Amino acid sequence: AQSVTQPDIHITVSEGASLELRCNYSYGATPYLFWYVQSPGQGLQLLLKYFSGDTLVQGIKGFEAEFKRSQSSFNLRKPSVHWSDAAEYFCAVMIKAAGNKLTFGGGTRVLVKP
Amino acid sequence: ETGVTQSPTHLIKTRGQQVTLRCSSQSGHNTVSWYQQALGQGPQFIFQYYREEENGRGNFPPRFSGLQFPNYSSELNVNALELDDSALYLCASSSTTDTQYFGPGTRLTVL
Repeated sequence: AQSVTQPDIHITVSEGASLELRCNYSYGATPYLFWYVQSPGQGLQLLLKYFSGDTLVQGIKGFEAEFKRSQSSFNLRKPSVHWSDAAEYFCAVMIKAAGNKLTFGGGTRVLVKP
Repeated sequence: ETGVTQSPTHLIKTRGQQVTLRCSSQSGHNTVSWYQQALGQGPQFIFQYYREEENGRGNFPPRFSGLQFPNYSSELNVNALELDDSALYLCASSSTTDTQYFGPGTRLTVL
């Protein structure tokens, strides 16, 4: 079955430290890949996306992600975390042949220590 | 450019009742998708509408139904509400770029 896995449910990081959030998917074809961020009680904001081409993509708020086909991964990174980055982060995939629906991982909650 | 809007923000219903949630898509977008996000989980795809026709459905029972209007706004209707229907309902709009932009959601509580 198709699935998206975010292995880390919670991550705590100190302000100014680097952050990496993991995402793995299980699909036969290369999907479209997305990262969204959700602040408490809010909707989802798109951070970045990968459709094709350069496997390192830049997004908003200083985030970047790298697609690794051999590992079926699309990990999100930020070199220096700010207190405002505390939120829940969701990885999502879309398989065009299966329709334009997004399949989400379970999310990773990021806590930022001062 | 106006983003995706949803109404109402919050809603409280009792078991067995019916509810209608509304979504206005972002300007220029002709596709609307609905998702259910239970507490502590990732969003789950309910269905998608493209040019007023259902264009894909997730694993939700028929009591979840929808509409899309000529201006591309959309409604999600849920009949015979159950306690497990309590969730944040998210609407997303998109165009041919396949990137979905989400609204703020409607928090539904079923008592």
